[in-house]
Amino acid sequence: EVQLVESGGGLVQPGSSLKLSCVASGFTFSSYNMHWIRQAPKKGLEWIALIYYDSSNKYYADSVKGRFTISRDNSKNTLYLEMNSLRSEDTAMYYCALTSGVYWGQGVMVTVSS
Amino acid sequence: EIVLTQSPTTTAASPGEKVTITCLASSSVSNMYWYQQKSGASPKLLIYSTSSLASGVPDRFSGSGSGTSYSLTINTMEAEDAATYYCQQWSSNPFTFGSGTKLEIK
Repeated sequence: EVQLVESGGGLVQPGSSLKLSCVASGFTFSSYNMHWIRQAPKKGLEWIALIYYDSSNKYYADSVKGRFTISRDNSKNTLYLEMNSLRSEDTAMYYCALTSGVYWGQGVMVTVSS
Repeated sequence: EIVLTQSPTTTAASPGEKVTITCLASSSVSNMYWYQQKSGASPKLLIYSTSSLASGVPDRFSGSGSGTSYSLTINTMEAEDAATYYCQQWSSNPFTFGSGTKLEIK
């Protein structure tokens, strides 16, 4: 059974940093591209980052480019999202997702507020 | 950036009724994906590559379209289908979503 379990969210102040993790199981993690997608409260879905299976390519939405970094450790079956210079508009549920949205995690909430 | 425009924004259907949700792309895309999101849950893939049913999805759901016009159809509405539905394109970075269609049961 495919499982994606996010962690690392919480309440942080504007300008601070946070690192999310997504632990994968039930499939060969090192063979698949992975994504981070977020959803602000009562809003729609926003794709924010993609990393290739071998970390050879990374892509970002303009809204997070230069502030967020996607990475992965295939030896640990773990996907990461390092978030810097957080803003109130980054407040959202953050989901990791397997290539082409086949499977999603349960999400982790990030709240940026003073 | 490819903008996906979904319609309607909100709709309601009676059990047994047919429901169609449309997704118009600002530029041509090769395929469309559809997700169902119930309250408090993460999105679930319904349709991939425009018309292929994801594993475990009831066959009352179907997808069609090409180019800039796509649609999701529920052939016979059931109470459990009440949810928000999103289209998404994986053809062009950034991989944009439609704004969602909230479907309620009458």
